[in-house]
Amino acid sequence: GESVGLHLPTLSVQEGDNSIINCAYSNSASDYFIWYKQESGKGPQFIIDIRSNMDKRQGQRVTVLLNKTVKHLSLQIAATQPGDSAVYFCAEKSSSASKIIFGSGTRLSIRP
Amino acid sequence: GAVVSQHPSWVICKSGTSVKIECRSLDFQATTMFWYRQFPKQSLMLMATSNEGSKATYEQGVEKDKFLINHASLTLSTLTVTSAHPEDSSFYICSARGGWLAKNIQYFGAGTRLSVL
Repeated sequence: GESVGLHLPTLSVQEGDNSIINCAYSNSASDYFIWYKQESGKGPQFIIDIRSNMDKRQGQRVTVLLNKTVKHLSLQIAATQPGDSAVYFCAEKSSSASKIIFGSGTRLSIRP
Repeated sequence: GAVVSQHPSWVICKSGTSVKIECRSLDFQATTMFWYRQFPKQSLMLMATSNEGSKATYEQGVEKDKFLINHASLTLSTLTVTSAHPEDSSFYICSARGGWLAKNIQYFGAGTRLSVL
């Protein structure tokens, strides 16, 4: 496999605050990026994606920012709720490849 | 939205037996399906990529004779873990990607937890 197994970093956020989850990607040829949410014991759930010709994209309560210069991707979740507790993975893909490559993930925990 | 169904969600088997996991795209045609493996607290590791009607492409280090993949139709792929051993115990997740409805986004099944005794 191409993803590396690591202990997951954890982000703890107060309920109602905004969450920012960061991701550094590795391949400068990647032109498509996706954020997935994975709850315990479930498969990853698509949240939002962005192509390299954009630097920002907004969804419902979520915003993805892309900085190609430093190969950095972030996911912002507004007004974080208990249901947002999960592991969040960024993924990257180049147009010449058929597969996406997952990052190591960040666990988001919500403080009441 | 696009739905990927995976079955079973949980299976326990004896060492040496084979286990088949099914992955179906319910409302779109999956031109490509992927199989991943995930250990606790780790990211997803791609095992293989399969296109309908052709042989799967396995990632380096994944034994193709042990993990048999069949992608017989545009809505069904199966992963068979042959002669399973305790070290094969893991969370197996399938993913499917297709056109129009799925907008070429890769959607995931709910996963199958395999425990080999």
